[in-house]
Amino acid sequence: AQKITQTQPGMFVQEKEAVTLDCTYDTSDPSYGLFWYKQPSSGEMIFLIYQGSYDQQNATEGRYSLNFQKARKSANLVISASQLGDSAMYFCAMREDYGGSQGNLIFGKGTKLSVKP
Amino acid sequence: DAGVIQSPRHEVTEMGQEVTLRCKPISGHDYLFWYRQTMMRGLELLIYFNNNVPIDDSGMPEDRFSAKMPNASFSTLKIQPSEPRDSAVYFCASSSYDRYNEQFFGPGTRLTVL
Repeated sequence: AQKITQTQPGMFVQEKEAVTLDCTYDTSDPSYGLFWYKQPSSGEMIFLIYQGSYDQQNATEGRYSLNFQKARKSANLVISASQLGDSAMYFCAMREDYGGSQGNLIFGKGTKLSVKP
Repeated sequence: DAGVIQSPRHEVTEMGQEVTLRCKPISGHDYLFWYRQTMMRGLELLIYFNNNVPIDDSGMPEDRFSAKMPNASFSTLKIQPSEPRDSAVYFCASSSYDRYNEQFFGPGTRLTVL
């Protein structure tokens, strides 16, 4: 079974609008972390945001926020006021703190976001 | 700060040849990770080190792959002999103990095995 599922292979959003990228995860570990990374066409991986499983509040970093719904095992990324430079692949990832993948990130397949002017 | 440095950025080689990828992590970082990205399998961890010691190499595909970290500022990933299915982008990433949740990725090495 996939640990990280991103159901949207591609998405379009109009510039200046908000967009939500979906991510669901599967783990039985009580302690884990959830991450979002951005990969522009140039290829580098850019860390965006992190949410710990015990964090009470949703993480926010500038225009990025993580909508963490623990019971539903979802960790959606919300980008507010989209900009043309947001066009990229976005990867959701998880680290299980006590499980077999201790210490490493398990990535989803990614969502390609295209921002239209 | 120069960030994570990887070399070469592009490598084209023929099947059967030895390939060595290099990584210099961010100074002061305690963890180093090697990832591989392909269209078929996505981004997957190969191996990671903590304080130069390999901790988890369960992602290393087979004995043809080996990784070393002789000191805190240098790591290599070697493929010998290389095969066409090894063609991928190989990323090195590093993180510090204090900010463990933020892995900084290098620009990647695009490997093509003909």
